Amino acid sequence: QKEVEQNSGPLSVPEGAIASLNCTYSDRGSQSFFWYRQYSGKSPELIMSIYSNGDKEDGRFTAQLNKASQYVSLLIRDSQPSDSATYLCAVENTGGFKTIFGAGTRLFVKA
Amino acid sequence: GAGVSQSPSNKVTEKGKDVELRCDPISGHTALYWYRQRLGQGLEFLIYFQGNSAPDKSGLPSDRFSAERTGESVSTLTIQRTQQEDSAVYLCASSNYLAVTEEQFFGPGTRLTVL
Repeated sequence: QKEVEQNSGPLSVPEGAIASLNCTYSDRGSQSFFWYRQYSGKSPELIMSIYSNGDKEDGRFTAQLNKASQYVSLLIRDSQPSDSATYLCAVENTGGFKTIFGAGTRLFVKA
Repeated sequence: GAGVSQSPSNKVTEKGKDVELRCDPISGHTALYWYRQRLGQGLEFLIYFQGNSAPDKSGLPSDRFSAERTGESVSTLTIQRTQQEDSAVYLCASSNYLAVTEEQFFGPGTRLTVL
């Protein structure tokens, strides 16, 4: 059983639209949640972290966390072609020794 | 250094040979992670170091895989008797475990091809 699940996509949205990326996790004790972006052939880079229930906004990005539902999402407003990448959801497991990554969702933003 | 570095960037080897992959973390980062990423797949956790000790080795896929870290700096991932299914990009990441965000900073990876 996967511990962090994401829809693999691809998710295709037109330029300027809102892209919504979703992630569920199985470890109820998890306290730290991250979204990484990975361009093709490149390494992942952190774009958002969230630790409390609710929304956290940073520029065009909003992370949403619902611990009761074990659900975390990432919204990208005014999507740009440069946002086209794979988005990895990462969850720190109970005990904090390991971060589990989802398989990622591929996002395509069409110009 | 300015970031996490890994060497070699590419490695082509023959089945059955041993390989060593090196990771230089960001100076001062106490935590170091190794991941494997097969083509089109997500990150597969291999091992985690806190300082020189490895509290979690649960991701190592077989006893052909081993890793060590010396002096809270460089780490080496060794794969013995390589198999074709070992072909992947091996990513190293480091983090400042004591920082609030505990963001992991990734190196550029080593692309391993086993013929």
